[in-house]
Amino acid sequence: QKEVEQNSGPLSVPEGAIASLNCTYSDRGSQSFFWYRQYSGKSPELIMFIYSNGDKEDGRFTAQLNKASQYVSLLIRDSQPSDSATYLCAVNLSGSARQLTFGSGTQLTVLP
Amino acid sequence: DGGITQSPKYLFRKEGQNVTLSCEQNLNHDAMYWYRQDPGQGLRLIYYSQIVNDFQKGDIAEGYSVSREKKESFPLTVTSAQKNPTAFYLCASSTRQGGAFFGQGTRLTVV
Repeated sequence: QKEVEQNSGPLSVPEGAIASLNCTYSDRGSQSFFWYRQYSGKSPELIMFIYSNGDKEDGRFTAQLNKASQYVSLLIRDSQPSDSATYLCAVNLSGSARQLTFGSGTQLTVLP
Repeated sequence: DGGITQSPKYLFRKEGQNVTLSCEQNLNHDAMYWYRQDPGQGLRLIYYSQIVNDFQKGDIAEGYSVSREKKESFPLTVTSAQKNPTAFYLCASSTRQGGAFFGQGTRLTVV
């Protein structure tokens, strides 16, 4: 079992819709969770982080964490074509100091 | 401007040659990392350093070496022992909270 798993996609949504990206992790002791956006050929950009159970909202982005079920999700409201990118989930696994373990990413396409 | 600078952006390596990728940060972060990304894949950790003069192997350290002589600098050497080095190399640094910030990457190709 991979330590951090994401559906590779591709995921396509129409412009204006809600895009839902999911991530599961194997280590129940994990404490910190991050979402990165990576445009083709570019480096990842941190867009959200969440440490506590529940929802965290930042503009059109909402991160959701459920530690009991070991999943973290990212919702993008009012999706725009400029949101088309690969979204990487990253987890700070317990006992790993501060380094992050990444999922393989979900490719999102927002159709105009 | 604060940030992480990687150079060069593109690098070509001949068979049997060692090459060094540069990474410099002015964010005053203690921790620095090197990741490798292959097409369609996530990031895999090569080496990381929590403090000057100390570093640890990540998941795929074989064929790579690093040094951390200064807080700002964490260069990565890809040695001839790395048999499949063609990839996108990403350097990052992080705060105490753990969020990593990336440089623009170096794309290494074997010719």
